[in-house]
Amino acid sequence: ETGVTQTPRHLVMGMTNKKSLKCEQHLGHNAMYWYKQSAKKPLELMFVYSLEERVENNSVPSRFSPECPNSSHLFLHLHTLQPEDSALYLCASSPGGGMNTEAFFGQGTRLTVV
Amino acid sequence: ILNVEQSPQSLHVQEGDSTNFTCSFPSSNFYALHWYRWETAKSPEALFVMTLNGDEKKKGRISATLNTKEGYSYLYIKGSQPEDSATYLCALGGSNYKLTFGKGTLLTVNP
Repeated sequence: ETGVTQTPRHLVMGMTNKKSLKCEQHLGHNAMYWYKQSAKKPLELMFVYSLEERVENNSVPSRFSPECPNSSHLFLHLHTLQPEDSALYLCASSPGGGMNTEAFFGQGTRLTVV
Repeated sequence: ILNVEQSPQSLHVQEGDSTNFTCSFPSSNFYALHWYRWETAKSPEALFVMTLNGDEKKKGRISATLNTKEGYSYLYIKGSQPEDSATYLCALGGSNYKLTFGKGTLLTVNP
């Protein structure tokens, strides 16, 4: 148990659906992240929020839309995804932006786009 | 684009064996080096975060060393146990919130 909770754990959606992934942390961390892991690829950073402000958007298509309403919650809104977007989506948090402290990860949402 | 390379990709050892993996990174871009253990169906969990050249860290049977000048880090596991089976991820931390990960080393420890 890392203190970072993601829901749902599994999601199957059609290409015309709209769905959202949720992440929650009560560790008092200021930074929250979305990562994507596709098969045979390293974890790829998608978005970073610091103190509820987006500070990094790693060239992610607009069909992925993040939202950070407060420092404890992070959402990833999904709209008109493609089958190649099927992957494991991991949320993480860290105390601050300087990456000399560890990140705490959730268990991920396994997304399948059909 | 930062390149974090890990080797080997996968490794099978017998219970009781000691083993080690390598993480290589461009030394000019160094800020912090992270090691994570990722067991199947669980969250990646941090093992070590290292920032200083020559740093050595230890947690039980697992230890890590760091050479920032030549751009590599080693992770050692002494007396491997089946519960050590996992993917071990190395990541390069930057000052701008970024963690750049390698593909990981998948370790399987056979009883």
